Amino acid sequence: QLQLQESGPGLVKPSETLSLTCTVSGGSISSSYYYWDWIRQPPGKGLEWIGSIFYSGSSYYNPSLKSRLTISVDTSKNQFSLKLSSVTAADTAVYFCARSPKSPRDAFDIWGQGTLVTVSS
Amino acid sequence: QSVLTQPPSASGTPGQRVTISCSGSSSNIGSNFVYWYQQFSGTAPKLLIYRNNQRPSGVPDRFSGSKSGTSASLAISGLRSEDEADYYCVTWDDSLSGRWVFGGGTKLTVL
Repeated sequence: QLQLQESGPGLVKPSETLSLTCTVSGGSISSSYYYWDWIRQPPGKGLEWIGSIFYSGSSYYNPSLKSRLTISVDTSKNQFSLKLSSVTAADTAVYFCARSPKSPRDAFDIWGQGTLVTVSS
Repeated sequence: QSVLTQPPSASGTPGQRVTISCSGSSSNIGSNFVYWYQQFSGTAPKLLIYRNNQRPSGVPDRFSGSKSGTSASLAISGLRSEDEADYYCVTWDDSLSGRWVFGGGTKLTVL
């Protein structure tokens, strides 16, 4: 049974870089059938797609975050990561990692439990 | 402001049928599949409907999805107290180099 687990600091200072890692267990991140995604949810608000990455490193970013965003993959560790720079309080959210089928392109079928990141000094 | 429009709330009594709408445009719902998620407070969303009207294994047939033009709907029949949750629609949007877009979510209350 494939499982995803987010990890990283729960508190980040304004203007700094938010860094999170998602560890994939029970399956390989190097599958040619799936993208690996980041999605976030501000407290009490709705969901926002952040971006996707394929095991080869090709990626898709939400245009609204693209200038601050880097998503990378480490197949040797079965992990993918998120870096969001110049954060503000508006980036405070629960961050989820998820899997989405590649072909045909389908939405997220497996999710991590989520991790709360608070941006505050 | 979400790209897809959902009513912020919906309600029904046990046994009733309720529907939740999701409105978009030609660049998203009009040309791509719609997916529905159920989310309980403090937990990750769960896939409820994929490709407009398909149910993953384990999802009761009380849940059904449909799509027409640039709108989609989620219907829940035989409403139960455990259906009280937030529901989100999602689709791919072909504009701006492509992106997944969510509805703002609908809070379903079982009275």
